[in-house]
Amino acid sequence: EAEVAQSPRYKITEKSQAVAFWCDPISGHATLYWYRQILGQGPELLVQFQDESVVDDSQLPKDRFSAERLKGVDSTLKIQPAELGDSAMYLCASSLGGGQHNEQFFGPGTRLTVL
Amino acid sequence: TQLLEQSPQFLSIQEGENLTVYCNSSSVFSSLQWYRQEPGEGPVLLVTVVTGGEVKKLKRLTFQFGDARKDSSLHITAAQPGDTGLYLCADGSSNTGKLIFGQGTTLQVKP
Repeated sequence: EAEVAQSPRYKITEKSQAVAFWCDPISGHATLYWYRQILGQGPELLVQFQDESVVDDSQLPKDRFSAERLKGVDSTLKIQPAELGDSAMYLCASSLGGGQHNEQFFGPGTRLTVL
Repeated sequence: TQLLEQSPQFLSIQEGENLTVYCNSSSVFSSLQWYRQEPGEGPVLLVTVVTGGEVKKLKRLTFQFGDARKDSSLHITAAQPGDTGLYLCADGSSNTGKLIFGQGTTLQVKP
């Protein structure tokens, strides 16, 4: 069964360090989403890609966060420098297309702890 | 900005009990989704409702969408330990596919 892959599953880093997360969506899915989920809350969208283009990055803290999907397949989310408040679960999701009626499939997430 | 409020935030019950959790919005949904998220995993879609008054059943789970499409409920009959998890409602109304989630209800079912 096709799944969204994410790595690493867990990451512990010290503040001011750089971290990177990787996501491989389900094959053929053109739309890729990165969400951040703080403990006890629902996920919030950070950035959305349609193929290799950014559709929505309005909630991405661009002074420290960057995301790319160079070939329109897998994607990397980077934080530099990490801050204590970045501790959260980072979820990647993909769907066949954007729009209301395309089901999003989520990966298992990367749990980030910033010390 | 749309706000989704879920209640209760936390629920701990014994196996075999029934329960209902709620999702309320400050504005009308055109499409509402319910997800379940197990610890350390990503959310998994349970159901999508789009029509006011709609009722959908998934085994022991019953989902209702309010007539005014501003609220929804999830009822679980005879809860089992395997139902334990975080239940999230999400607004799927965005034309881009972006989901807006509530803060979730954490359910613990004790054997």
